[in-house]
Formats: sequence, structure tokens, C-alpha cells
Amino acid sequence: DTGVSQNPRHKITKRGQNVTFRCDPISEHNRLYWYRQTLGQGPEFLTYFQNEAQLEKSRLLSDRFSAERPKGSFSTLEIQRTEQGDSAMYLCASSPVGQEKRTYEQYFGPGTRLTVT
Amino acid sequence: AQSVTQLGSHVSVSEGALVLLRCNYSSSVPPYLFWYVQYPNQGLQLLLKYTTGATLVKGINGFEAEFKKSETSFHLTKPSAHMSDAAEYFCAFRGSSASKIIFGSGTRLSIRP
Repeated sequence: DTGVSQNPRHKITKRGQNVTFRCDPISEHNRLYWYRQTLGQGPEFLTYFQNEAQLEKSRLLSDRFSAERPKGSFSTLEIQRTEQGDSAMYLCASSPVGQEKRTYEQYFGPGTRLTVT
Repeated sequence: AQSVTQLGSHVSVSEGALVLLRCNYSSSVPPYLFWYVQYPNQGLQLLLKYTTGATLVKGINGFEAEFKKSETSFHLTKPSAHMSDAAEYFCAFRGSSASKIIFGSGTRLSIRP
């Protein structure tokens, strides 16, 4: 169990550029979540997948944001035409779904810190 | 609406003193409650969780929390603070039928030598 990994760990971009982040969940976990955390705040839910299906999206996820999980394994989060307000830590988490009812916990990755200049 | 409120954005205690971080929630459905810890530039690590059953929950690093339904609270405690406990702590809530977690705004814990 290597944990949830995210790449890159840091990204600095200029306003108006597109950025893409990757999340690799724990291998047997079929649920994957994206959260955004701004300075001094708790994480806020953006979206989640069960396998390749995107089951819920927050109203925070504007049309400039898109998330995919094409093969039900890793996921990508893309932000188009970045704005300074997009500067935040983007956290990925995963959890299992199964008979053991171990669905309560979400295991978080280290995050990708985005700075938009 | 479901929400989590953490009382006190910053708590400072002396090493060896009691740690008490307060959390209240608002929900119309049975809650699952969590405490996470976040060290600088790192992700969140689960300290402990309440789902069903025993209301006093023990976690890692000597932390524990008690679910009090009548007070809609889930306060985090540790009898004796250690310097390594300095971090940001988040209380979080999840409805029993929901998937997303709702986080409080966090409490930064500082430990004085």
C-alpha cells in the first residue's frame, strides 16, 4: 500500500494558462475524490468518481474545471484559463467500497499546490 | 444544511498540558465524524473517526474524541501535549448516506515549550 500520490506537488502558472493535475489512488480503492483547500480554510469538496463514473460535482466546479477517470484508476483534474482565485491546494482522496463497510474513511494524498501569477 | 464549526482558529498550550479542540456539527441525518491532522505542506491524516457504537473514540498519537449527540459535539482531547502535536486539525462530517466530507475551517495547535 503506497498511499495516494499526486503530481506535480507544486505548480506555478500564469493567469490564462491551462493546468492539469494527476492523482493515483490506492490500488484497490474504487472511489476517488477531489477537494480544494485555500489558505486558512478546510478542504472543500469538488467532485468524486466511483470507478470511471463521475457521480457528483460541486457547484464550486465551474465550467473551466474538468475531471476525468477514464479507466477507473488514476484521475486528472484540468483547469482551463486559470485565474488568480484558482490558487489553492488541490487534494485527492480515495476510499474503498465493499462488504466490509470500510467506506467511512477517505485517504488523502499530499496535494498539488497551485499558484497562479 | 449540514455544517461543521470549529471553535477557535488557533489554540496554544504548554507542553504536557491538556489539549482540547472543539467541534460542533449540524445535521438532520446520523453523522459520521472525523478528526484529521495536517502538517505543513502535507495532506490530511486521519486521527480518529466515529461511525456507530461507542461514543468515546480513541485514535492515533494518544488523541481521543467523544460524540455527544445531545450537544451535537465531537471535541478532540489529548491528556498531555507533545511538541510534535503542533499542526492544523480539522473536524469533519459525513452524512451516513453521502459520500463527500464536509470539513470545518480548522484549528491551528501550537505547543509552547
